[in-house]
Amino acid sequence: GNSVTQMEGPVTLSEEAFLTINCTYTATGYPSLFWYVQYPGEGLQLLLKATKADDKGSNKGFEATYRKETTSFHLEKGSVQVSDSAVYFCALNSGYALNFGKGTSLLVTP
Amino acid sequence: EPEVTQTPSHQVTQMGQEVILRCVPISNHLYFYWYRQILGQKVEFLVSFYNNEISEKSEIFDDQFSVERPDGSNFTLKIRSTKLEDSAMYFCASSVKYTGELFFGEGSRLTVL
Repeated sequence: GNSVTQMEGPVTLSEEAFLTINCTYTATGYPSLFWYVQYPGEGLQLLLKATKADDKGSNKGFEATYRKETTSFHLEKGSVQVSDSAVYFCALNSGYALNFGKGTSLLVTP
Repeated sequence: EPEVTQTPSHQVTQMGQEVILRCVPISNHLYFYWYRQILGQKVEFLVSFYNNEISEKSEIFDDQFSVERPDGSNFTLKIRSTKLEDSAMYFCASSVKYTGELFFGEGSRLTVL
């Protein structure tokens, strides 16, 4: 079935560092791919998405490119801020369901 | 900004008891979902609901679980006889149409003793 695997956390970075969180997927067909973020004490929020191969999703300085050849959708940000501290979830759609990865906790220190 | 609201935020119950978790989806949304996250594990799909019926459910969503939209605003998840392994954070979500762009509530934490 469709599934995603994302890198284990926690990830700790200093402010203004470069961020990469890896996500790879297994799927039949061509699912849409998503990154959701969960800030402390809040629900999950859609961060960005890509619906087909080579699409780049972007939002709030974060980017991810749908790579069919490597079955990947890695999340990147050039310069993280303390306010980016959160848990990040990679996901893909499978029917009416979203299949999520385990989540990667990011802590950004001043 | 419209949001999905869930109640209660935390419920503690004894094994074997019935629990109802409540959600108010965003008002113009048509698709409704329940997900859960056991501590330290991934967010798992339970069920999706559209046009007053279940459109898809996972293996987790067995006969102990049911969903209902009792009126025009609420969407509920009932667990008939809770087990220890039902302890988790339960997230409600809604969407205008199915594109994977879901709006999630803050979650209801269920603790079964």
